[in-house]
Amino acid sequence: AQKITQTQPGMFVQEKEAVTLDCTYDTSDQSYGLFWYKQPSSGEMIFLIYQGSYDEQNATEGRYSLNFQKARKSANLVISASQLGDSAMYFCAMREREDTGNQFYFGTGTSLTVIP
Amino acid sequence: DVKVTQSSRYLVKRTGEKVFLECVQDMDHENMFWYRQDPGLGLRLIYFSYDVKMKEKGDIPEGYSVSREKKERFSLILESASTNQTSMYLCASSFLDGTEAFFGQGTRLTVV
Repeated sequence: AQKITQTQPGMFVQEKEAVTLDCTYDTSDQSYGLFWYKQPSSGEMIFLIYQGSYDEQNATEGRYSLNFQKARKSANLVISASQLGDSAMYFCAMREREDTGNQFYFGTGTSLTVIP
Repeated sequence: DVKVTQSSRYLVKRTGEKVFLECVQDMDHENMFWYRQDPGLGLRLIYFSYDVKMKEKGDIPEGYSVSREKKERFSLILESASTNQTSMYLCASSFLDGTEAFFGQGTRLTVV
């Protein structure tokens, strides 16, 4: 079974509008972490936001917020006031603790295009 | 700032060649990872290492091997490169109980 599922291969959003990128996860652990990374066309992976499984409040970082719904096992990324520079691939990821240390699992990504 | 450095941004190799991809991190991280990224498939774990000389297979280890002789350096080896190994390769590192993985800039490998 997939640990991380991103069901939107591609998304379009008008500049200055908000957009939600979907992510669901699968784990039986009580302690885990959820991340979003941005990958521009240059290829580097840029960390955006982190949510711990015990955090009661949704994480926010500037224009990024993580809509964490534990019971539904979802961790959607919300980008407010989209900018042209937000056009990129976005990956949802989960950290789980294994015997050999933390493991990170990634989804297949969502390609976001911001339209002027 | 944490720095994870991959030795090459772009690499072109011939089928059958032995290929080395190097990754160095400067934050004394215990864990190091090699991922392969292909369109529509996301990042898939090839190998990871949690200590010097220790390695564990990930989801797609076939055709690859790794070496970790020093804590800061993790090498990915393609024993005999094939065209189906043309891909983007990403190295990452983290503390053993770290909350975040830090990535290198990626290596786009083309095997012709």
